[in-house]
Amino acid sequence: DGGITQSPKYLFRKEGQNVTLSCEQNLNHDAMYWYRQDPGQGLRLIYYSQIVNDFQKGDIAEGYSVSREKKESFPLTVTSAQKNPTAFYLCASGGLLGDTEAFFGQGTRLTVV
Amino acid sequence: GEDVEQSLFLSVREGDSSVINCTYTDSSSTYLYWYKQEPGAGLQLLTYIFSNMDMKQDQRLTVLLNKKDKHLSLRIADTQTGDSAIYFCAESMDTGRRALTFGSGTRLQVQP
Repeated sequence: DGGITQSPKYLFRKEGQNVTLSCEQNLNHDAMYWYRQDPGQGLRLIYYSQIVNDFQKGDIAEGYSVSREKKESFPLTVTSAQKNPTAFYLCASGGLLGDTEAFFGQGTRLTVV
Repeated sequence: GEDVEQSLFLSVREGDSSVINCTYTDSSSTYLYWYKQEPGAGLQLLTYIFSNMDMKQDQRLTVLLNKKDKHLSLRIADTQTGDSAIYFCAESMDTGRRALTFGSGTRLQVQP
């Protein structure tokens, strides 16, 4: 089955630690995205990548890092520099044309303890 | 800059029609989308419309676009309890970033 998979579903982090959220897709999509969702708010773009080995900052990239070494994978690292990391993180993938549906993963809920 | 706004909450009775509204500011938006999110889950694309269209109908869903007023609406006919969710409108362009810009979401509550 084609789709986009995020893991883990729930993640707990101690203050000062880096954590990496996984996102894998087998849809052969060129573009991949990371969004952050806070309660009562829409999704805000953290990073996006339109091609392997290339990525761009979104609107709230500070305290996050990404890599795109393979077309299928776009991991997000939440670093200790992110001051308020507790949130729901959503990964998406899509084609490069605007009318291509963006598929979302089921999300990772990150909590700082 | 880009900004997408939605009302936060809508409550309807089962069987009634629901209308969820959205306004956007970027006149160069090429595509406008409606997504549905159920609790603790990712987003599911419901429908989308090109900016050169006025209306699109897909079964119980009708999307209306007023490009002059930058207003988008989603009408759900015969609303069911299973339609209870958060609905997001989003926009994207065919140039530049091509990433979706989302509104804050409208929580639809369907009363039995």
